Amino acid sequence: AQKITQTQPGMFVQEKEAVTLDCTYDTSDQSYGLFWYKQPSSGEMIFLIYQGSYDEQNATEGRYSLNFQKARKSANLVISASQLGDSAMYFCAMREGRVGNKLTFGGGTRVLVKP
Amino acid sequence: DTGVSQDPRHKITKRGQNVTFRCDPISEHNRLYWYRQTLGQGPEFLTYFQNEAQLEKSRLLSDRFSAERPKGSFSTLEIQRTEQGDSAMYLCASSDIPGGTGKDEQYFGPGTRLTVT
Repeated sequence: AQKITQTQPGMFVQEKEAVTLDCTYDTSDQSYGLFWYKQPSSGEMIFLIYQGSYDEQNATEGRYSLNFQKARKSANLVISASQLGDSAMYFCAMREGRVGNKLTFGGGTRVLVKP
Repeated sequence: DTGVSQDPRHKITKRGQNVTFRCDPISEHNRLYWYRQTLGQGPEFLTYFQNEAQLEKSRLLSDRFSAERPKGSFSTLEIQRTEQGDSAMYLCASSDIPGGTGKDEQYFGPGTRLTVT
C-alpha cells in the first residue's frame, strides 16, 4: 500500500482564493511527523509546514495551515489568499518512528494560480 | 546563514562512467540525507547519516552506489558504472536532531541533475 497518497495530480486556483491539497497517509506507528514541501520550477524543495502525530492543534505557518484528521489519516494543506508565486509542485511527506528518520513522499500535486 | 549546497548542479556522463556528487549541509546540522527524484515523481530516499555514521540505506540502492560522510560534515555520493536508469535529480538534505523546535524538518539543497547518455 502507498504510504503517502496525493490524489490530485493538478489543480487550478484563482489568485486570492484558497486552495486545499489532499494528502492521506498509512502508518502503524504511533509517533510520526507529516510535512509539506513546495517545489517551484527551479527545482529546490522548500519546507512549508510540519504536524506531529501528538500535536493536538492544527499547524499554521502564515498563509499555510494543515488540516490534520488523525482518525482519517489525512493531512491536507490549505493555502489561503493564493498568489501567483504559489504556482509549483507540492509534496506531502511522512516521517515514521523516531525524530530524524527518513521522509517518504507522495507523488505531488501541481498547482497553477491564475491571475 | 548558508543553506545546503550541492556540487555540481548538472552532470552529463556516458553510460559506464563513474560520477561523484558532493553535498555540504547546513553547518550545525548533524543529519544528512540523500534522495533521488525522477521526473514527475516525489523524492525517494537513498541513505542517511548521523554525523559520520551511515544509519540506513534503501533497498533501492544497488551496490553501484556508495555514500560517505568521512568527517561528519560534507558527504559524497558515488555512482559506479552509470546506467541510463540512473538519470535523475539527486537531492541532499540536512536536519538538526534533536533540535530546539521539536520539529525535524529537513532542508534541501538545489540538487544535482544527472543525465546518463
